[in-house]
Amino acid sequence: GAVVSQHPSRVICKSGTSVKIECRSLDFQATTMFWYRQFPKQSLMLMATSNEGSKATYEQGVEKDKFLINHASLTLSTLTVTSAHPEDSSFYICSAREARGAYNEQFFGPGTRLTVL
Amino acid sequence: GQNIDQPTEMTATEGAIVQINCTYQTSGFNGLFWYQQHAGEAPTFLSYNVLDGLEEKGRFSSFLSRSKGYSYLLLKELQMKDSASYLCAVRDRWRGGATNKLIFGTGTLLAVQP
Repeated sequence: GAVVSQHPSRVICKSGTSVKIECRSLDFQATTMFWYRQFPKQSLMLMATSNEGSKATYEQGVEKDKFLINHASLTLSTLTVTSAHPEDSSFYICSAREARGAYNEQFFGPGTRLTVL
Repeated sequence: GQNIDQPTEMTATEGAIVQINCTYQTSGFNGLFWYQQHAGEAPTFLSYNVLDGLEEKGRFSSFLSRSKGYSYLLLKELQMKDSASYLCAVRDRWRGGATNKLIFGTGTLLAVQP
């Protein structure tokens, strides 16, 4: 089956620093990748949609200058949380959609737990 | 607006059957997904419905009624490992080049007891 990896799985950083999270599709090409954020006991909230080679589309209320997304290849997308603050602490999950999937379903990465001190 | 509702929590007994409901009101519809998510892990795909009716997959079945904006996930022969959150997600309709996106419900935390 389709596998999506994320790195790092867990990161702790000081307030004001930037953190980069990588999302890779390991055995398929993903024309579209999605970034979600999930706070404790809440559901997944879509932050942005990124298509390879083009600018990401951000959901309402998500600051594009704070959450930088780069989708430079068909297997890699990165999310950079710039000048992180404690309120950015969350579980960040990416998903990738295979171009020719049966349901065009999304395959999720294992998530990255970000803690900002 | 987009609205997807599920019960927040449910409890069931090992070996029993449980039904998790999901109602939705979205601007577009291009399929409904159910995912299972264990604490601290990513969601895993369970089922997909795009036409009305029941889809069965082993111990899991999912039903859809588009006219009622309603779906349910049915879990049979419950096992302790089924304790998890179950997320209902609606895929928005393809809009001339716009990318389909999933809109997730609030999730239902299922606790299976011995």
